Amino acid sequence: KQEVTQIPAALSVPEGENLVLNCSFTDSAIYNLQWFRQDPGKGLTSLLLIQSSQREQTSGRLNASLDKSSGRSTLYIAASQPGDSATYLCASSNYGGSQGNLIFGKGTKLSVKP
Amino acid sequence: NAGVTQTPKFRILKIGQSMTLQCTQDMNHNYMYWYRQDPGMGLKLIYYSVGAGITDKGEVPNGYNVSRSTTEDFPLRLELAAPSQTSVYFCASRRQGAGDTEAFFGQGTRLTVV
Repeated sequence: KQEVTQIPAALSVPEGENLVLNCSFTDSAIYNLQWFRQDPGKGLTSLLLIQSSQREQTSGRLNASLDKSSGRSTLYIAASQPGDSATYLCASSNYGGSQGNLIFGKGTKLSVKP
Repeated sequence: NAGVTQTPKFRILKIGQSMTLQCTQDMNHNYMYWYRQDPGMGLKLIYYSVGAGITDKGEVPNGYNVSRSTTEDFPLRLELAAPSQTSVYFCASRRQGAGDTEAFFGQGTRLTVV
């Protein structure tokens, strides 16, 4: 059974700092890995989707990498801003199981201080 | 660009009452999912559907029922509400080829059972 872990659970950084959020998974037989952002009391907003055949994806100041052999994905945020403060969730879709069901980590709560 | 729409946003139920959480998507996605999110926990799959007329149980289906009469709609039914069902509920959808496509989420329904 796939398990997804995100460390740390919370992170506080000063504005302007580059930072890395970590996501690890136990089963490397994944279709893809997706990163989401969740603001308090809101839904999930998709940030990046990395297919199993890809190594990384980029969108603006965000870069997500995937290393299936080590069971790890990272989300790199460049030049962080207070507006980046949110909870970041990673989720994997695995072969088999419930038809593309996403297995979620518990998230990293990011706070960017002005 | 409505995407995935959930109603209501908030609801308070008394123990033993029933209600239906509504979910509709306008992207012609055939895969739809219901998740619940509890504090400090990752999202857990309740039920999913791969198309109209086809539904199946996820990880935590007890106390819930679903139906999928159209591609657009995937309502979640609580028959006898219990305090353990206090949670935030999210509906999601993705297009065919479920494993390698991006999932989109609604804004959530925050349910309290008292």
